Amino acid sequence: GAGVSQSPSNKVTEKGKDVELRCDPISGHTALYWYRQSLGQGLEFLIYFQGNSAPDKSGLPSDRFSAERTGGSVSTLTIQRTQQEDSAVYLCASSIRWGTNEKLFFGSGTQLSVL
Amino acid sequence: GQQLNQSPQSMFIQEGEDVSMNCTSSSIFNTWLWYKQDPGEGPVLLIALYKAGELTSNGRLTAQFGITRKDSFLNISASIPSDVGIYFCAGRSGGSNYKLTFGKGTLLTVNP
Repeated sequence: GAGVSQSPSNKVTEKGKDVELRCDPISGHTALYWYRQSLGQGLEFLIYFQGNSAPDKSGLPSDRFSAERTGGSVSTLTIQRTQQEDSAVYLCASSIRWGTNEKLFFGSGTQLSVL
Repeated sequence: GQQLNQSPQSMFIQEGEDVSMNCTSSSIFNTWLWYKQDPGEGPVLLIALYKAGELTSNGRLTAQFGITRKDSFLNISASIPSDVGIYFCAGRSGGSNYKLTFGKGTLLTVNP
């Protein structure tokens, strides 16, 4: 597609349930990023993929969070046993490659609400 | 870790006024980026700065990469209602550091 696509756009779940968030990056972009945006806060880096590998997972808030990327394209962010503090907008971004001059293109995000 | 202080947190202005917002960092950055986020959307890149002292314009927007490499500002001239949104600064220290550090944003409201 022309831009980064994320689904679902909104997700309401009950505390303790697992959720999967999907990101389709721009075709040809090798780098993919997940960020979390809480109300009134800046963007918090979660994880980064170069191809299918994630060199740095240190931004993931806890071991309940995991992410994978297959075929160098689609990525899934999974949150297990969701907690109310997980409620936030989860943003995905892609770029042609990583480097000092890359530019990120963001999707519209998934608004996650944990009741 | 790296921290960005973005100010002001919010601004309420009249249409036609000029606005200015800035970011300061506790460490040196090699890249400064300015994004705008509309409600329900992801941030969109406005201006990218790569050299200390660089001054770049994009229409009514002008941004500068501070000489110390620890700050940047964004100016919007002759504001219009569609300028409403949240403006984020972001910086990267370069090299193998692929992470962008974001400020907490400036909420801009323009009164027609």
